[in-house]
Amino acid sequence: DAKTTQPNSMESNEEEPVHLPCNHSTISGTDYIHWYRQLPSQGPEYVIHGLTSNVNNRMASLAIAEDRKSSTLILHRATLRDAAVYYCILLNGNTGFQKLVFGTGTRLLVSP
Amino acid sequence: DTAVSQTPKYLVTQMGNDKSIKCEQNLGHDTMYWYKQDSKKFLKIMFSYNNKELIINETVPNRFSPKSPDKAHLNLHINSLELGDSAVYFCASSQGGTSGGYNEQFFGPGTRLTVL
Repeated sequence: DAKTTQPNSMESNEEEPVHLPCNHSTISGTDYIHWYRQLPSQGPEYVIHGLTSNVNNRMASLAIAEDRKSSTLILHRATLRDAAVYYCILLNGNTGFQKLVFGTGTRLLVSP
Repeated sequence: DTAVSQTPKYLVTQMGNDKSIKCEQNLGHDTMYWYKQDSKKFLKIMFSYNNKELIINETVPNRFSPKSPDKAHLNLHINSLELGDSAVYFCASSQGGTSGGYNEQFFGPGTRLTVL
């Protein structure tokens, strides 16, 4: 399985943008980049996913490098509720019934 | 309405006991999962069922036995509980399994199991 590397933790101030990086240098051409987050004392929740093009949804934006060896999850205006552990996960587009393999993720701390 | 629910939320028991955790989803999904998050916060899949059929079975002690009576339910039974079983157990569901293209997994709130 292709691996991802994320910083252990990042800090942000409320209402500022946050850029959470993920390195996946061994990504294959059919691997999608997925992001999940886990708020304190809750189960993980889906944030966003993409293949090659940048993606936007109501929660965040995903910027994917041209060579796809890295990506960045962008929270445009961090709120206190965004404090969570963010996981970058690769899933192959040609294989069904895959498991989510959670790494250590990035713990985002948001200060008022 | 809660999409994925688990009962109980907390479970405290003695070593050697047998216990069950129940999971129900009302999303109409056909695939359900059990994950374990240990004290170091590592989250790892244990099992997955699709249409009541086991499709993912990680290296889990056979003291753990999942049971899926129907597509909306996936229960986890644990025999002869050990101290190392203490963890938070999460149930999840998705439609059609998880592939690269999509099929978001929806997680329950978790069950914190403490074995004394």
